[in-house]
Amino acid sequence: QVQLQESGPGLVKPSETLSLTCTISGGFISTYHWSWIRQPPGKGLEWIGYIDYSGNTNYNPSLKSRGTMLVDTSKNQFSLKLRSVSSADTAIYYCARGKTPYHFDFWGRGTLVTVSS
Amino acid sequence: QSVLTQPPSASGTPGQRVTISCSGSSSNIGTNLVSWYQQFPGAAPKLLIYSNTQRPSGVPDRFSGSKSGTSASLAISGLQSEDEADYYCAAWDVGLSGWVFGGGTKLTVL
Repeated sequence: QVQLQESGPGLVKPSETLSLTCTISGGFISTYHWSWIRQPPGKGLEWIGYIDYSGNTNYNPSLKSRGTMLVDTSKNQFSLKLRSVSSADTAIYYCARGKTPYHFDFWGRGTLVTVSS
Repeated sequence: QSVLTQPPSASGTPGQRVTISCSGSSSNIGTNLVSWYQQFPGAAPKLLIYSNTQRPSGVPDRFSGSKSGTSASLAISGLQSEDEADYYCAAWDVGLSGWVFGGGTKLTVL
């Protein structure tokens, strides 16, 4: 059974960079698309972007080029960096395995990131 | 404002059949497959329906999905109290070249 685990700071200051890592266990990073999805408190889901095992990426245009995703196949991990954060970036961040353009079949538990000084 | 449109709430009594709609456009639902996710408070979303109508292993057959044109629906028959959750639809959007979600529907079992 594939399991995903998000990790990273829970508090980030405005204008700084949010950094998260997703570690995959029970499966390999090859073949699929690996996404970050976020959910502001009390609100709906927003897809941030995905990366594949080769490092090819696709981002949500709404991020306005603030996001960068990287993959480390040796560690079975992928990561997200979101620059110039504001309070609007406060959310639970989930990593998920995607089968584009079909569905997301495995999700991490999520990690709350608060943007505040 | 979500790209896919869902009613914010739905409700039913135990044993009833409830449907949740998801409206999109030709660039998402009209072209690609729809998936549905169930989310309990404090938990991650869980895949409930994929490829418009398919249920992953372990999902009760009380849950069913359908799609027609640029709209999709999730039906829950024999409603149970443990079905009380938020439900989201999703599809790949070829115009945006990205995933889009519905705003979510909070299901209450009365």
